[in-house]
Amino acid sequence: AQTVTQSQPEMSVQEAETVTLSCTYDTSENNYYLFWYKQPPSRQMILVIRQEAYKQQNATENRFSVNFQKAAKSFSLKISDSQLGDTAMYFCAFRGGNEKLTFGTGTRLTIIP
Amino acid sequence: DTGVSQDPRHKITKRGQNVTFRCDPISEHNRLYWYRQTLGQGPEFLTYFQNEAQLEKSRLLSDRFSAERPKGSFSTLEIQRTEQGDSAMYLCASSSPLAAPPDTQYFGPGTRLTVL
Repeated sequence: AQTVTQSQPEMSVQEAETVTLSCTYDTSENNYYLFWYKQPPSRQMILVIRQEAYKQQNATENRFSVNFQKAAKSFSLKISDSQLGDTAMYFCAFRGGNEKLTFGTGTRLTIIP
Repeated sequence: DTGVSQDPRHKITKRGQNVTFRCDPISEHNRLYWYRQTLGQGPEFLTYFQNEAQLEKSRLLSDRFSAERPKGSFSTLEIQRTEQGDSAMYLCASSSPLAAPPDTQYFGPGTRLTVL
């Protein structure tokens, strides 16, 4: 069974700074997807970024980028020029061949004005 | 393109009552998923459908839980004889291998269930 570990329960950073959220996972599969989702307080889960395991190039979406290290089974999220609207729970998720997402326990990120 | 919708958004019920939730996926998406999220935790997979076929069920889905997707469009999740431990947010998501990007799950706003 796959497991996803987020070792930072809470983080805070000043507005406009850069922050990196950590995620490690364990799997025996070779082809899979990794995702970061954002869940603002009392609001719905929003996709931030996705990465296919077969792609060596790290995914980027505007201010969001990942550092995908397949051999190390690491998938960190970097948020540049952080904004107040980035305050949320961030979940790392794994999807292998069985379709379902396996989530980590989340990192609560607070952007300080 | 409307997103995933869920109804109701909130449900308060007494222990022992039955409740039913509805999920409408993104219209072109043939896959539909149910997850449960308790406070401070990540969502946990419950079950998923491809079209009308229920292809996988988690061990979390006890015999009090049943899910259907009769016409391959909307889905319902029913909990019979609710228990206080059923209190959680129930999330629905949908995806399609043909969408752009493919095989990416998009979530609805969830139904928050409180069992008194």
